Amino acid sequence: DTQLTQSPSSLSASVGDRVTITCRTSQGISSYLNWYQQKPGKAPKLLIYAASNLQSGVPSRFSGSGSGTDFTLTISSLQPEDFATYYCHQSYRTPFTFGPGTKVDIK
Amino acid sequence: EVQLVESGGGLVQPGRSLRLSCRASGFAFGDYAMSWVRQAPGKGLEWVGIIRSKTFGGTTEYAASVRDRFTISRDDSKSIAYLQVNSLKTEDTAVYYCTDNYSWGQGTLVTVSS
Repeated sequence: DTQLTQSPSSLSASVGDRVTITCRTSQGISSYLNWYQQKPGKAPKLLIYAASNLQSGVPSRFSGSGSGTDFTLTISSLQPEDFATYYCHQSYRTPFTFGPGTKVDIK
Repeated sequence: EVQLVESGGGLVQPGRSLRLSCRASGFAFGDYAMSWVRQAPGKGLEWVGIIRSKTFGGTTEYAASVRDRFTISRDDSKSIAYLQVNSLKTEDTAVYYCTDNYSWGQGTLVTVSS
């Protein structure tokens, strides 16, 4: 199975901060990586698909990069509504897998 | 607007079965693969399985943890995906989501307890 690791597992940040979350996969997955945001009690929401493509309606402060085994999600200027948990997800080979999540909370 | 609505969850005893449904609207359901993902209370997301579109054979694949007990099917005429869950265990307690990888339903809670 393709294992995904995320770092950090949690972070505290202030409004306006630049935030970077990394996702590393145990095998190469080309660009078959999505990023999701999840708030408590809510379904995940797609932010970035195919590693670097911004989903329609998602603010441009979110961006993604990477290919192969190393990927990054960046929030250029953290907003109050961005405090949430973020998951990476590979859909290159089954079983598809998710990273363990990165919780972003208020400093 | 794309909408996915899950139903069929509830409280069930260990060893029993349930059938979860995911009703889709707002897109060409038959052209898309559909996945099920679950989330145990306070835990992360776990991919359960996928059913591909008829164009890609309608094949299914599953996580090892559920492969012998869960079955995904689809009825393209009704735009519904199903997850049949058998021989339920307490560790199957979770919110079950359906997704086309872009949109997600609100989830349906399955609680397995005696």
